[in-house]
Amino acid sequence: GAGVSQSPRYKVAKRGQDVALRCDPISGHVSLFWYQQALGQGPEFLTYFQNEAQLDKSGLPSDRFFAERPEGSVSTLKIQRTQQEDSAVYLCASSDDAGTDNRYFGPGTRLTVT
Amino acid sequence: LAKTTQPISMDSYEGQEVNITCSHNNIATNDYITWYQQFPSQGPRFIIQGYKTKVTNEVASLFIPADRKSSTLSLPRVSLSDTAVYYCLVGGPGGYNKLIFGAGTRLAVHP
Repeated sequence: GAGVSQSPRYKVAKRGQDVALRCDPISGHVSLFWYQQALGQGPEFLTYFQNEAQLDKSGLPSDRFFAERPEGSVSTLKIQRTQQEDSAVYLCASSDDAGTDNRYFGPGTRLTVT
Repeated sequence: LAKTTQPISMDSYEGQEVNITCSHNNIATNDYITWYQQFPSQGPRFIIQGYKTKVTNEVASLFIPADRKSSTLSLPRVSLSDTAVYYCLVGGPGGYNKLIFGAGTRLAVHP
């Protein structure tokens, strides 16, 4: 079946612009996670949704970052007034909470802020 | 959350067995050990998870000693396509778990 998809795959933004990154999780998956991955580093946790509820946003680096999942399926990560340090790959993952840590990751969106 | 330490990089040749060891001295009683694999331009992919002793699947084996302060991911007969970054993580089982990734181990498989 279809895996986790993300769009766009690549995004170039000028500093100060707002961007919106979309994640389509695997159908029926309750949990959805966003991660940020800088070049050469492991993914870093940003936020977690269980259905439409955002249960943890402790990893969001600033109030310019905002995530939503209004109907408990598709999620959007929005970054306002982008800065160069926001350049990274943004990964989305979903899981069915079956009792293991088998998260299904999407291919990521590579954001470059110029 | 328990911190993990693993080698930054490893080199191997096709057909060899590769063992990547991860130390997690502060692992908690209810923590599981999970390994992920990541290819360039892709998201991480779950490989294997275990709690104690040995776990084997079609991709790898995971060896966990009795004190659980370390674990070893074993990849049998690697091929060029196993060149990737491998991450060792520890944390509570399933459901909500932040999955704290370190820098991982960059495995390069040579012909």
